[in-house]
Amino acid sequence: DAMVIQNPRYQVTQFGKPVTLSCSQTLNHNVMYWYQQKSSQAPKLLFHYYDKDFNNEADTPDNFQSRRPNTSFCFLDIRSPGLGDTAMYLCATSRILTGAGELFFGEGSRLTVL
Amino acid sequence: DAKTTQPNSMESNEEEPVHLPCNHSTISGTDYIHWYRQLPSQGPEYVIHGLTSNVNNRMASLAIAEDRKSSTLILHRATLRDAAVYYCILPNAGGTSYGKLTFGQGTILTVHP
Repeated sequence: DAMVIQNPRYQVTQFGKPVTLSCSQTLNHNVMYWYQQKSSQAPKLLFHYYDKDFNNEADTPDNFQSRRPNTSFCFLDIRSPGLGDTAMYLCATSRILTGAGELFFGEGSRLTVL
Repeated sequence: DAKTTQPNSMESNEEEPVHLPCNHSTISGTDYIHWYRQLPSQGPEYVIHGLTSNVNNRMASLAIAEDRKSSTLILHRATLRDAAVYYCILPNAGGTSYGKLTFGQGTILTVHP
């Protein structure tokens, strides 16, 4: 059974039209992450939540926001998508935030900006 | 943050063992060594991790050099389903990035029938 579920799996949006991607988890993990993966590139961390504490990576554009209303759900909001935001967006969870923790990834949401 | 170096690509035949190397010469004493893999069009998948001793699980084995400056992921019998990008990662060692995974380019493994 899937433990980290992302919706939608595929999303097409127009330039500048806001989009929200969702992630839910059944693992009751404390930490939730959002990664961006462009074609033929490695995943790049955008931000993470440790419980309700939000941590933004230094180079994450302001266009990207996130919400975590409860332990199970986390959302990625892209306020004004540009063509360069076309990518796979990956949600991941971990029980703890240390080097010993294993990450569980969802299947990803593939976003295309036209 | 400690960096890793992996070959861009490797090839193997089905049913044969595969040894995927990773160099991490700047590793610190408390850095864990993680391996993930990503199959085409899927999210990354945890494979194995270790600190000092060699580790085994149902998917693979992790051999860690005595000085910890390198490690090798061992797939004992490659199958076509093992074709993926394999990432060797050291979780970030400190500051606000502590414990988070920064992915490098990884090794593209091709398995031939």
